[in-house]
Amino acid sequence: DADVTQTPRNRITKTGKRIMLECSQTKGHDRMYWYRQDPGLGLRLIYYSFDVKDINKGEISDGYSVSRQAQAKFSLSLESAIPNQTALYFCATSDFGTPKLFFGEGSRLTVL
Amino acid sequence: GESVGLHLPTLSVQEGDNSIINCAYSNSASDYFIWYKQESGKGPQFIIDIRSNMDKRQGQRVTVLLNKTVKHLSLQIAATQPGDSAVYFCAENAFGGYNKLIFGAGTRLAVHP
Repeated sequence: DADVTQTPRNRITKTGKRIMLECSQTKGHDRMYWYRQDPGLGLRLIYYSFDVKDINKGEISDGYSVSRQAQAKFSLSLESAIPNQTALYFCATSDFGTPKLFFGEGSRLTVL
Repeated sequence: GESVGLHLPTLSVQEGDNSIINCAYSNSASDYFIWYKQESGKGPQFIIDIRSNMDKRQGQRVTVLLNKTVKHLSLQIAATQPGDSAVYFCAENAFGGYNKLIFGAGTRLAVHP
């Protein structure tokens, strides 16, 4: 089983709909992240959380929100999806003291 | 599978040759660097990392070289195999203790038989 699991893996939705992407991990890491990937661009940080009570904005947080429900769960929400949020989204974790990230398999979101 | 990095620079090599993928990083204060491999339809996978107090680090068939003078990082893959075909990303830890990686745009490696 994957250490970092994302659901759903693929989702097609319409403009204005609320969408939630979920991430769970069995690595026991305190730190969790959401990244977005677009063709031709590197991974860009949306939000990150260093523990259950800590939530921080990344470089592209507008239009997104997150919830850290437990150490092992970190969800990303799009309150009102728009077409330019069509992208591949990755959840990642890291252990305390190292920047090394462990990624999930990705969630492909298409907003029509 | 997913089409990641449709407009990325591409390095084409013959199977068995050595590959060198280059990366320029932005922050002279970055203290940690890492290379990831991303195959189509999958998440990035760790390959090798290096701290700024080192110039070179070797793994299995891979070597990372760090030139802090010109802010350059390279990944060398020995005896490249078809399974090495993927997009390769470098990343730097540009915020010291805050542990947030900044990723490059990636390079596609295409290995031909």
